[in-house]
Amino acid sequence: DADVTQTPRNRITKTGKRIMLECSQTKGHDRMYWYRQDPGLGLQLIYYSFDVKDINKGEISDGYSVSRQAQAKFSLSLESAIPNQTALYFCATSEDNEQFFGPGTRLTVL
Amino acid sequence: DQQVKQNSPSLSVQEGRISILNCDYTNSMFDYFLWYKKYPAEGPTFLISISSIKDKNEDGRFTVFLNKSAKHLSLHIVPSQPGDSAVYFCAASSGRDDMRFGAGTRLTVKP
Repeated sequence: DADVTQTPRNRITKTGKRIMLECSQTKGHDRMYWYRQDPGLGLQLIYYSFDVKDINKGEISDGYSVSRQAQAKFSLSLESAIPNQTALYFCATSEDNEQFFGPGTRLTVL
Repeated sequence: DQQVKQNSPSLSVQEGRISILNCDYTNSMFDYFLWYKKYPAEGPTFLISISSIKDKNEDGRFTVFLNKSAKHLSLHIVPSQPGDSAVYFCAASSGRDDMRFGAGTRLTVKP
C-alpha cells in the first residue's frame, strides 16, 4: 500500500466551483505539504504544515486554503476554482529533509 | 522569484555515457540540497542529497557535486541507463523554511 495517497487522482470542474483535494499518509510524519506543478515552473509550494496546529502559507497560497484534520490528513481546498488553477497537485510528507510525495491529482478547471 | 533554477529543460544522452544535470541557486541561506526523480503519472521520488558542509556525495551510479561559492550543484549519472529517463528536479532548503524546487530537466537516455 502507498504511504502517501491522494484523492481524487483526476478531477474536472467548472469555474466558480468549490473543490477539495485530500491527502492521507501512513508514514507517521508530522510535516505535510501541498505543491502544484505547472509546465516550466517545477513544483511550487502552496501550503505546508509542521503539525496539526502549525499551518503556513507557501509561495502561491492565494486562492487556496488547507485543513489539517489529523496528523495523517491534510486537505487542500479551492474555494472558487478558476482556469489558471488547472495543474498537477502533489501532496508530500517529511520527517527530516527528504520529502515523500503522493501520486498527484490532475485538476482541470473549465 | 525562482531561487532554484534548472536552465536546461531537457537532456539527451546515449546509454552507457555520463549524464550531467545542473542546478543553480540564489539564496545563500540554503544548506541542504536534494535531487528528485519523477516518472510520468507518479509523484517525485527522492534520489540523492547533499549537505552544505560537503562538496560531494555518491550513491552508486549517482553523484551530486556542490560548489557553494558558485551556488551551483550538479548530478552525475554514470553509466546512464534507459530506465534513468525521467524528469529530475533539484531542490534546496534552509532549516525550517520551505523547500524550493527547480523547474526540472527531462532526461532521455537512448539505447
